[in-house]
Amino acid sequence: QKEVEQNSGPLSVPEGAIASLNCTYSDRGSQSFFWYRQYSGKSPELIMFIYSNGDKEDGRFTAQLNKASQYVSLLIRDSQPSDSATYLCAVNTDSGYALNFGKGTSLLVTP
Amino acid sequence: DTEVTQTPKHLVMGMTNKKSLKCEQHMGHRAMYWYKQKAKKPPELMFVYSYEKLSINESVPSRFSPECPNSSLLNLHLHALQPEDSALYLCASSQEWREGQETQYFGPGTRLLVL
Repeated sequence: QKEVEQNSGPLSVPEGAIASLNCTYSDRGSQSFFWYRQYSGKSPELIMFIYSNGDKEDGRFTAQLNKASQYVSLLIRDSQPSDSATYLCAVNTDSGYALNFGKGTSLLVTP
Repeated sequence: DTEVTQTPKHLVMGMTNKKSLKCEQHMGHRAMYWYKQKAKKPPELMFVYSYEKLSINESVPSRFSPECPNSSLLNLHLHALQPEDSALYLCASSQEWREGQETQYFGPGTRLLVL
């Protein structure tokens, strides 16, 4: 069974701080990695995707991928209360055929 | 434009009813997906359509019947559902279907309650 693991949280950070969300995966053949944000009662919204080792930045968001260590992370700079949501890590699997989702990390940004 | 639309937003049905969920995208995507999501759980894949053909059926009970009338539309027909089928049903689409490598865009979902 190919696993995608996330700490369920809640992860609490003060407004303006950096939030760091982590995800590990078990399938070494995985090639595509996605971060989705999901507000309570809403559908997942794509935040970032990353395919290559290293960092990828988009505004306040930075995705980091380390294939050797099999982890992918999402950094949110200058966190805002509106960033409070569940963040889902999704990974394709080499031997599978679709995305494999982690259980999500709940982020709470306190004013 | 990365919009996927779903109707209805909410649906309440009895166990003997027949209803349908509808999903539409106009991004030219050739892969469309149905997911089911229970509270505080990640989305679970139900079906994948690629070029209007059913490619994946994740052992979903026959009371859920998908249909892809054309490249922009995806339906999910519901019949004789059980209360445990109550969930958020999500449609997603991607440019192609290549073993999960493609970025998937989700619609707003249909919140289904089965009484």
